[in-house]
This record gives sequence, structure tokens and C-alpha cells, in this order.
Amino acid sequence: KQEVTQIPAALSVPEGENLVLNCSFTDSAIYNLQWFRQDPGKGLTSLLLIQSSQREQTSGRLNASLDKSSGRSTLYIAASQPGDSATYLCAVRNTGNQFYFGTGTSLTVIP
Amino acid sequence: GAGVSQSPRYKVAKRGQDVALRCDPISGHVSLFWYQQALGQGPEFLTYFQNEAQLDKSGLPSDRFFAERPEGSVSTLKIQRTQQEDSAVYLCASLPRLNYNEQFFGPGTRLTVL
Repeated sequence: KQEVTQIPAALSVPEGENLVLNCSFTDSAIYNLQWFRQDPGKGLTSLLLIQSSQREQTSGRLNASLDKSSGRSTLYIAASQPGDSATYLCAVRNTGNQFYFGTGTSLTVIP
Repeated sequence: GAGVSQSPRYKVAKRGQDVALRCDPISGHVSLFWYQQALGQGPEFLTYFQNEAQLDKSGLPSDRFFAERPEGSVSTLKIQRTQQEDSAVYLCASLPRLNYNEQFFGPGTRLTVL
């Protein structure tokens, strides 16, 4: 069974800092990897999706990378803002149409 | 509709009570997934549908959990004889087709079993 791990579990940074969130997975036979944001009491909002054949995706201040062979992905957030405070989840989709989520990184950006 | 909707948003049940959670997917979306998210954890897969067919229910934690999608649109997740360990947020997601890249999530139903 695919195991997805996210480090750190929680992170607190001052506004304006750049930061990196990490996601690792045990089975490299993936279809894609997706990063989500979850705000308290809300559902999941998709941020970036990387296909298994891709190395990275960018959207605004966000950049996600994928190293399938080593089972790792990173989410880079540039110039963090208080509005970025949320829980960030990565999810791996295997070739069998199942999605496996990590436990998330809770991010607090301090004004 | 504009997005995936779920109802109720919050449900408090007494232990032993049956509950039914509803998911309205985006109109036209063929695939529908249910997840359970315990406090402080990531969502865990429960089951998924392709139209009205339930193709995988391997994630359902016990035979007290039952999901249906009789007309291939709205889905209901039913939990019989609820237990305290069933307390969680139940998330629904839909996709236009099974091999579509992204899932579109609803806001979830927070179930608390007393």
C-alpha cells in the first residue's frame, strides 16, 4: 500500500519568508501527484498537479517539484503571506485510481 | 452546479444512531469518491463510483458503512449504529471522468458521535 509522509507536521514563519514543504511516498509507480490547501472547516482546494512524467509545475508564488525515482515532492512558497496560513496536503494517485494523502503540514505565516 | 456540495455540513449523532450523508457532485461528473478525514490526519479513501457502479469499496472500515449512487448523480454514505471512532469529516470529490487528473472536493460533513 502506498504510504505518503509529509514533513514538517507544522511550520511557523514570519511574513515574507520563502519556505519548502516536503512530501515523500513509498511506491514510485504513480500516475500523478497533487498539492492541496485545506482551510479550517473547508474542503480541499487544488493548488498544483504534477503528472508522473513531469518534473515541476508553477503557479504564481508556488512551485512544486517531483522526483519520482526517489519518491519525493516539494512545494516551494515564495514571499509567504498571512493568507497562506492553512494546512497543505499532498496526494499521490496510483495507477489503480486510488488517491493516497499525507497527513499534511500546518503552516502559520506570522504578520 | 458551481461545485460539489455536501449536506448536512455538521451532524451530531448519539452512539448507535444511523446517519446518512449526502453528496451532490458537479453536474455531469461521472466519477465520485468518498473519503474519511480524522482529526489531524489526511483524508483516507473509502469508496468510489463510476456512474452508478461502485467500483471499489475496499476502504470502507466496516460493514456498518454503506454507499450508494443509484442514478449516477447524487451519492449517499450511510453509517449504521454509529460509534465514537466514526467521528470525522467525510469528504466527497467528483471528476468529469475517471482518468481525469484533478478531483474537485466538497466542503465535507463533520460527524460527531457522542
